[in-house]
Amino acid sequence: DGGITQSPKYLFRKEGQNVTLSCEQNLNHDAMYWYRQDPGQGLRLIYYSQIVNDFQKGDIAEGYSVSREKKESFPLTVTSAQKNPTAFYLCASRNTGELFFGEGSRLTVL
Amino acid sequence: EDQVTQSPEALRLQEGESSSLNCSYTVSGLRGLFWYRQDPGKGPEFLFTLYSAGEEKEKERLKATLTKKESFLHITAPKPEDSATYLCAVQPQSGGSYIPTFGRGTSLIVHP
Repeated sequence: DGGITQSPKYLFRKEGQNVTLSCEQNLNHDAMYWYRQDPGQGLRLIYYSQIVNDFQKGDIAEGYSVSREKKESFPLTVTSAQKNPTAFYLCASRNTGELFFGEGSRLTVL
Repeated sequence: EDQVTQSPEALRLQEGESSSLNCSYTVSGLRGLFWYRQDPGKGPEFLFTLYSAGEEKEKERLKATLTKKESFLHITAPKPEDSATYLCAVQPQSGGSYIPTFGRGTSLIVHP
């Protein structure tokens, strides 16, 4: 079945450590997105990529980094510069219309 | 600036009690309006796309409608399994980047 796979589903890290969240899709979609979701807030865009080897900052890119070396993959690194990294992270892809989301990764910084 | 406001923030219904969720938007030309359902701890699941005022779409107990300023998600005779957060998003026509603006969602709880 086609879809988007995020891993890990749960991740615990100590302060000051970088962590990388994986996002893989087999939908053959060109565009991919990373969102952050906090309680009581809407989805906030971190980074997006419309084609391979190209990506742009979203509204809250500070403290995050991404790469897009393959069409299928769009990993997100949460760096130690991110002040409040504990959140639910969602990856999505798009063909021509709606976004397709993964199941999310919940990051908790201890 | 594009804005999406969803109301109410939270809604509690008894099973079978029909109601509507509202999504008001301000956008410089609408390319599409999207409704998603999100269960706790899961990613949003796509429900509907609406493109122009007057358009309606239905799926089981859900019906989405669109005017020039807002969209409604009508829930007819809801069941407990309809409990979820419903998200609305708009995609403006302007600009080359496809970046939808999301509302904060309406949390729906349906009691048996």
